[in-house]
Amino acid sequence: EIVLTQSPGTLSLSPGEEATLSCRTSQGVDSSYLAWYQQKPGQAPRLLIYGASIRATGIPDRFSGSRSGTDFTLSISRLEPEDFAVYYCQHYDRSSYTFGQGTKLEIK
Amino acid sequence: QVQLQESGPGLVKPSQTLSLTCTVSGGSISRGGYFWSWIRQHPGKGLEWIGYIYYSGTTYYNPTLKSLVTLSVDMSKNQFSLKLTSVTVADTAVYYCAVTTAGDAFDIWGQGTMVTVSS
Repeated sequence: EIVLTQSPGTLSLSPGEEATLSCRTSQGVDSSYLAWYQQKPGQAPRLLIYGASIRATGIPDRFSGSRSGTDFTLSISRLEPEDFAVYYCQHYDRSSYTFGQGTKLEIK
Repeated sequence: QVQLQESGPGLVKPSQTLSLTCTVSGGSISRGGYFWSWIRQHPGKGLEWIGYIYYSGTTYYNPTLKSLVTLSVDMSKNQFSLKLTSVTVADTAVYYCAVTTAGDAFDIWGQGTMVTVSS
């Protein structure tokens, strides 16, 4: 089973700054099957990125995804007040889905 | 645009069966390439995938829950359902239905329904 480890657990930044969130996989994976979600309190998660770097419909271009080996990164440039939320990475492998434990992005 | 809505009891007693239904609107549950999932989130915790079903009835379950979970689909009602047997307080969670429509990411979610297991 592939384990996804997200870091940091909490990230404190100010609006206008850039956020860098990490998701490390326990073994090499196909980028096609790595996604990122945003979840705000009391809401369902929202798909941001799939295929490691493809923005979902309606997602602003300040959100971007990238990969280096087993490290996947979600970058959010020019943080807006509505970007402060919890972010999850997710992987699909052999008909099974796993999620990272989440990174909370909070206002500094 | 497909929309999902969960429904079912908000309170279940320990050892009983949790049953939830997800109603699909704005599209057919029998659309090819759409895989219908249940995902849960324990209070204050992360997301746990429970399983998915295809309209043909093919299912895949999280190995940790496989012996307790059954998914089914009702094409006549455009719904799919979750049954989780022998529940304990540890099954208290928000339960979401979701679907993968392109690739293998959950691009459409229901709003979620809170289920509490308590006597």
